[in-house]
Amino acid sequence: DTGVSQDPRHKITKRGQNVTFRCDPISEHNRLYWYRQTLGQGPEFLTYFQNEAQLEKSRLLSDRFSAERPKGSFSTLEIQRTEQGDSAMYLCASSLGHPGQGSFDFGPGTRLTVT
Amino acid sequence: QKEVEQDPGPLSVPEGAIVSLNCTYSNSAFQYFMWYRQYSRKGPELLMYTYSSGNKEDGRFTAQVDKSSKYISLFIRDSQPSDSATYLCAMSAWSGGGADGLTFGKGTHLIIQP
Repeated sequence: DTGVSQDPRHKITKRGQNVTFRCDPISEHNRLYWYRQTLGQGPEFLTYFQNEAQLEKSRLLSDRFSAERPKGSFSTLEIQRTEQGDSAMYLCASSLGHPGQGSFDFGPGTRLTVT
Repeated sequence: QKEVEQDPGPLSVPEGAIVSLNCTYSNSAFQYFMWYRQYSRKGPELLMYTYSSGNKEDGRFTAQVDKSSKYISLFIRDSQPSDSATYLCAMSAWSGGGADGLTFGKGTHLIIQP
């Protein structure tokens, strides 16, 4: 296992379409996070899973966003009825235990462009 | 006031110089502090991790945390053009429950001139 992977790496979609992203965490990591990063900004927390349970969601996560981690392994993030403001880099991270233990690893991100 | 403040730069220095990057924060509950390096269009990669106040050194990198001043720093010695990237500070309050994900600064864009 070489790290957190995300698919696709790039996605261009038209406004109003639905998109789904996938994240495969480091296999032994029980915690999985989704972040969004726009140009010139640091990553902003979206949601968090511990195993298969979604334990926290940011107010940034509108009703058009939904995330799942059905078997406590990979996770998907779906955006329905995309808007131009959804254009951003979507980052997945995984950790074993809490972030402060230093094992908080990011994937390469999925760059979404909504036209 | 944002929880974590970081000057976005750009910060341009000549090769070989000592680079100083820093962040201030307002949440006194933060006790875990990290520095990430992010190259353009890539995910962040962890450089340094520090718990509570103090210094930590790893090769050319030194991280400092001053909790009394709510101020953290990253020093890069003998800077190289390959160090050119965006440096993000990140912090966590971890209290044993909840997500306690990381709160990031905006990142400082660093340019090392050959």
